Amino acid sequence: DAGVIQSPRHEVTEMGQEVTLRCKPISGHDYLFWYRQTMMRGLELLIYFNNNVPIDDSGMPEDRFSAKMPNASFSTLKIQPSEPRDSAVYFCASSPSRQIPEAFFGQGTRLTVV
Amino acid sequence: AQSVTQLDSQVPVFEEAPVELRCNYSSSVSVYLFWYVQYPNQGLQLLLKYLSGSTLVKGINGFEAEFNKSQTSFHLRKPSVHISDTAEYFCAVTENHGNQFYFGTGTSLTVIP
Repeated sequence: DAGVIQSPRHEVTEMGQEVTLRCKPISGHDYLFWYRQTMMRGLELLIYFNNNVPIDDSGMPEDRFSAKMPNASFSTLKIQPSEPRDSAVYFCASSPSRQIPEAFFGQGTRLTVV
Repeated sequence: AQSVTQLDSQVPVFEEAPVELRCNYSSSVSVYLFWYVQYPNQGLQLLLKYLSGSTLVKGINGFEAEFNKSQTSFHLRKPSVHISDTAEYFCAVTENHGNQFYFGTGTSLTVIP
């Protein structure tokens, strides 16, 4: 397996624009997590899914953020409208199951909002 | 909710010297514990994990960690570091009936030639 695949690796956008980050988890993994990493706050869990169903989105900062998982092999994190304070590295991770608790991370998407 | 504390935000150490990166967690229930490493511009990579059994866990690149339940600690150690060990290290915990991974704030290890 190629691991967790995120796209794009880098994204530069203007304030107010819509941004969509994409993630392909490892095949067969039941859990998918979205994290945001900044210098100030470290690694924050935004939302996670179990079998494509959102379980906990309490980490989503505000209504401008939304995440979907339409099927087991794809998830998106959307920011609309984007703001400069959203600049961060966004990681997607997947985990096989509750019985195999290990998170596998993608390479991340570095988002810059100017 | 869990909390994970990594007391040292930055640790400089000379090459071939030993190093210990400290991690404490808050849970009073059974947990799984992890150390991840992040190299510049990369994602997080698993170094080692404790699920059950022996409290001394060995991982990749010569790292090991010891689970101490009474002190709720999971410190990471390496007897002799290399330049290539320079990276950010994250401790993480998940409850063994839970699904969320809680991460510490990270420790930046810098190996000095």
